[in-house]
Amino acid sequence: SQTIHQWPATLVQPVGSPLSLECTVEGTSNPNLYWYRQAAGRGLQLLFYSVGIGQISSEVPQNLSASRPQDRQFILSSKKLLLSDSGFYLCAFAGQGSSPLHFGNGTRLTVT
Amino acid sequence: AQSVTQPDIHITVSEGASLELRCNYSYGATPYLFWYVQSPGQGLQLLLKYFSGDTLVQGIKGFEAEFKRSQSSFNLRKPSVHWSDAAEYFCAVRIMNNNAGNMLTFGGGTRLMVKP
Repeated sequence: SQTIHQWPATLVQPVGSPLSLECTVEGTSNPNLYWYRQAAGRGLQLLFYSVGIGQISSEVPQNLSASRPQDRQFILSSKKLLLSDSGFYLCAFAGQGSSPLHFGNGTRLTVT
Repeated sequence: AQSVTQPDIHITVSEGASLELRCNYSYGATPYLFWYVQSPGQGLQLLLKYFSGDTLVQGIKGFEAEFKRSQSSFNLRKPSVHWSDAAEYFCAVRIMNNNAGNMLTFGGGTRLMVKP
């Protein structure tokens, strides 16, 4: 079966520190991968998506970057965190065609 | 550009009462529509989806939704709410973009509270 793993579940980081959130998918090949952010009391904002290894598209300009070093691995990074980067980060994947999005359990990031 | 609107930010219902969460979309072509549920601190779980065919779709946990093209709506319903249904609900529409795969645009969410 298809599963998605996202870690860590929670993270507290000081301003200016680096960030690396990892997401891996099992049970499918060549998935479309997505990073969403959910700020407190707000909806979901698409940050990045990838339709293949090394292919990253950014939806909003910001302090974050994403990489896809392997087919089923998607990484969200930052060199220097800002207070405004705090939020709930969700990784998601979808198979080809009309497959729905499946989400990981999210990472709660607090920048202090 | 496509958009999804959930007019109700918060809804409170009594346990056992019926529920309807509203969702309106703006999209030029025939949409693919979804409802997701999110419990506090968790990821999103797919409740149901509409691609084509019967406009009344059944989902998990006793939920259903009806696609009404004339009203550009995809409202979520449940005949009898349980306390465990308290969560945030998101409506979403898929844009078919060859460059973006099957990316979803989400509404702002509706937080459901259930009174005992």
